[in-house]
This record gives sequence, structure tokens and C-alpha cells, in this order.
Amino acid sequence: DAKTTQPTSMDCAEGRAANLPCNHSTISGNEYVYWYRQIHSQGPQYIIHGLKNNETNEMASLIITEDRKSSTLILPHATLRDTAVYYCIVRVEGGSEKLVFGKGTKLTVNP
Amino acid sequence: DVKVTQSSRYLVKRTGEKVFLECVQDMDHENMFWYRQDPGLGLRLIYFSYDVKMKEKGDIPEGYSVSREKKERFSLILESASTNQTSMYLCAGAPGGAGTDTQYFGPGTRLTVL
Repeated sequence: DAKTTQPTSMDCAEGRAANLPCNHSTISGNEYVYWYRQIHSQGPQYIIHGLKNNETNEMASLIITEDRKSSTLILPHATLRDTAVYYCIVRVEGGSEKLVFGKGTKLTVNP
Repeated sequence: DVKVTQSSRYLVKRTGEKVFLECVQDMDHENMFWYRQDPGLGLRLIYFSYDVKMKEKGDIPEGYSVSREKKERFSLILESASTNQTSMYLCAGAPGGAGTDTQYFGPGTRLTVL
């Protein structure tokens, strides 16, 4: 069962911010929000994760709403190399569960 | 930077052959995973390992076995390759222990069984 809902596809102009939304209305208190991306024919790449506070790293920012029912991944200055499928996942804390990817959002960055 | 490497990016084998897919991580991670990824089916877990010489079946272990003799290496073995095992195979490593457990993936091996 899908725990997250993402748009099927999005477009973004090169150099602009890409904002990728994710709904996770049934998220539990101990579940983190993870983002991965997968460029065509490559392995998935970890981007960022968070529990309830907003997070930022060298790749992206993660904004989680106060009720934790949705989040947004922000790529501040998208480049052509950011064209990929982006997966939003919720996972419990601890342990080593398998990852379950939904269909994700196909982001296309246009020149 | 974390690093997970897989022995081959592309592999072509014949039906009935024994196939070895190797995965090496340099992150001193406890946990390692083998997935396969197919269009429309997403990621499916084949086997995982919490420690050296330990292994656990995932969702689709049939036709596969694994070996973890050293912490950094996790091998996937197709005992007798079949055409329905044509797929993208992905290895991942994760730190293990309490707390969040981010999985880091290798580049993948695209296996074709003829």
C-alpha cells in the first residue's frame, strides 16, 4: 500500500527552483520522510530526510508541514543533471526495513 | 563520500548459468541489501544481511542465494539463471543500529538472461 502520493511528472526551467510535493497523510509519529532520486539507468541516490523540522543539505531542502501530512523537496537551482525520478518515502525509525518506492515524480529540467 | 560498488554495470548470461553479482561497500556498514527493479513493479527486496555470515530472505528470494563472508562484501548468486531474472539489480548498504537507517545504493547491474 502506498503511504505517499506524488504528482506523476513536473517540469522546471534550468536555474529555477524545483519544488516537489509529497502527501503522506497517514504518517505515524515515529516515521521519517526520506527523499531519493533515480537518474535513468542508475541506482537510487539518497537526497535528504527529516522527522518534523525542516532540513537542508548541499543537495536540497526539505520542508515538512507542521501536521507532518505533507512535505516539499526543494532543489534551489535546478540543473539539467537534476532530471530524474524523485521518490518520497516514509519509514519508521531504527531497524533496517526494506525501502518501498512508489511511482515517484518524473522531474524534467528544461534548458 | 559513501561508496557502494557493483562488479558489473551490464551483464549478459545464458539460461541455466550460475551468476555471481558482487557488491562492495566502503562505509563499514552493518546492513546490506539486494533488490531488483523492474518497470511497473518498483523495488523488490531479494535478500538482506545484518552482519557477516547472517542473511535474511526478502520478498522474492526464490532462485537466489547470497553470501556475506566479509563485512564489506555481499554477493548475490543466481543458482541457475532464467529469463525471468532479467532485471536491474541494486545493492545497498546502511549503517544499522538504532536511529534512522539511510540506505545508500550502488550504480546497479543490468542483467540480461538469454
